[in-house]
Amino acid sequence: GESVGLHLPTLSVQEGDNSIINCAYSNSASDYFIWYKQESGKGPQFIIDIRSNMDKRQGQRVTVLLNKTVKHLSLQIAATQPADSAVYFCAEIPNAGGTSYGKLTFGQGTILTVHP
Amino acid sequence: DTEVTQTPKHLVMGMTNKKSLKCEQHMGHRAMYWYKQKAKKPPELMFVYSYEKLSINESVPSRFSPECPNSSLLNLHLHALQPEDSALYLCASSQGTLQPQHFGDGTRLSIL
Repeated sequence: GESVGLHLPTLSVQEGDNSIINCAYSNSASDYFIWYKQESGKGPQFIIDIRSNMDKRQGQRVTVLLNKTVKHLSLQIAATQPADSAVYFCAEIPNAGGTSYGKLTFGQGTILTVHP
Repeated sequence: DTEVTQTPKHLVMGMTNKKSLKCEQHMGHRAMYWYKQKAKKPPELMFVYSYEKLSINESVPSRFSPECPNSSLLNLHLHALQPEDSALYLCASSQGTLQPQHFGDGTRLSIL
């Protein structure tokens, strides 16, 4: 999603629904992408990652899709639970000359709210 | 609970004080990071250490001084901070620089 002013994009779903969180990235040289979940009062928690030589990767209840043509990343959460409520960030690392030095850049984030 | 431990969890300091934030990991990770996060914003990279050497400084003011005493510890020394430096300071570590970064829960810093 795209941020508008100081307000993070939001997604509200019912428990049991599938959720899709979108992210547009800007650096076509980015080689590695990560999705993080951040709950209130905690640090970002790693969910799943994907490298630029892949277009899909699945984890437990989560799937990440990468479309390099349009520089778009999405996170799909199956059977969303109230415990999934959090801010979700996509993040990217460029691979400049084969050495990225871990320069992780975060997107603006999306607030996911799951209603029981 | 995270495997990256940050202390203290909260810190209130005046603009003339000197304090330090501490970060510790025992996962054998060789890259460690400091980030700053303001409310309702994403984390912003400040410093990267790789094999205990500073490899990235994202033009951070000199009132923030990082230190990596060994491969498990990362400190951030603070001196003469400004009210706008109030934020959540996050530490992270990773096995390599193209590997997932694992974050601590941060130190919430308030500058009076």
